[in-house]
Amino acid sequence: QVLLVESGPRLVKSSETLSLTCTVSGDGGSFRNYYWTWIRQPPGKGLEWIGFIFHNGRVNYNPSLKSRVIISIDTSRNRFSLNLSSVTAADTAVYYCARVVAFPGRFDPWGQGTLVTVSA
Amino acid sequence: QSVLAQPPSASGTPGQRVTISCSGSSSNIGSNTVNWYRQLPGTAPTFLIYSDNQRPSGVPDRFSVSQSGTSASLAISGLQSEDEADYYCAAWDDSLQGHVFGTGTKVTVL
Repeated sequence: QVLLVESGPRLVKSSETLSLTCTVSGDGGSFRNYYWTWIRQPPGKGLEWIGFIFHNGRVNYNPSLKSRVIISIDTSRNRFSLNLSSVTAADTAVYYCARVVAFPGRFDPWGQGTLVTVSA
Repeated sequence: QSVLAQPPSASGTPGQRVTISCSGSSSNIGSNTVNWYRQLPGTAPTFLIYSDNQRPSGVPDRFSVSQSGTSASLAISGLQSEDEADYYCAAWDDSLQGHVFGTGTKVTVL
């Protein structure tokens, strides 16, 4: 059973860079076969797709975040990362990582999510 | 930002049928499969149902989906208290070359 776990600082100062890593386990060596994605959810609000990455480095980002987002991948460690620069309070959210099955199909499974708070 | 429109809330008494709509455009729902996710209180979303109405293990057959044109819908029949959750639709958008989510619908069992 595939398990995704997000990790990284829970508190980031305004104007700095938010950095999170998603570690994938239990995939039986199929990490390179899938696209991987980041999604976020501000407190009390809906879901917002951030971007995806493939093992060959192919990425695409939500146009609304594109100027501040970098998603990278480390296939040797079965993990991928999110960097979001110049954060503001509006970037306070629960950040989820997920696997993309049958690209550009469904997100399954998801990580448990991690709340990142941007402080002044 | 959400590109797919959903009603903010839906409700019913136990045993009733509830339907949630998801409205988009030709670049997303009109040309791609819609996926549905359920988010129970305080938890991460989970994939709910396949477009052919097959369901992942643990999801009851009370859930069904349909899709036509630029709209899709999720139906919950025989509503139960455990169905109280937020439900989101999502689809690939050919113009954005990215995924878009619905605004989300909170289902309440009265």
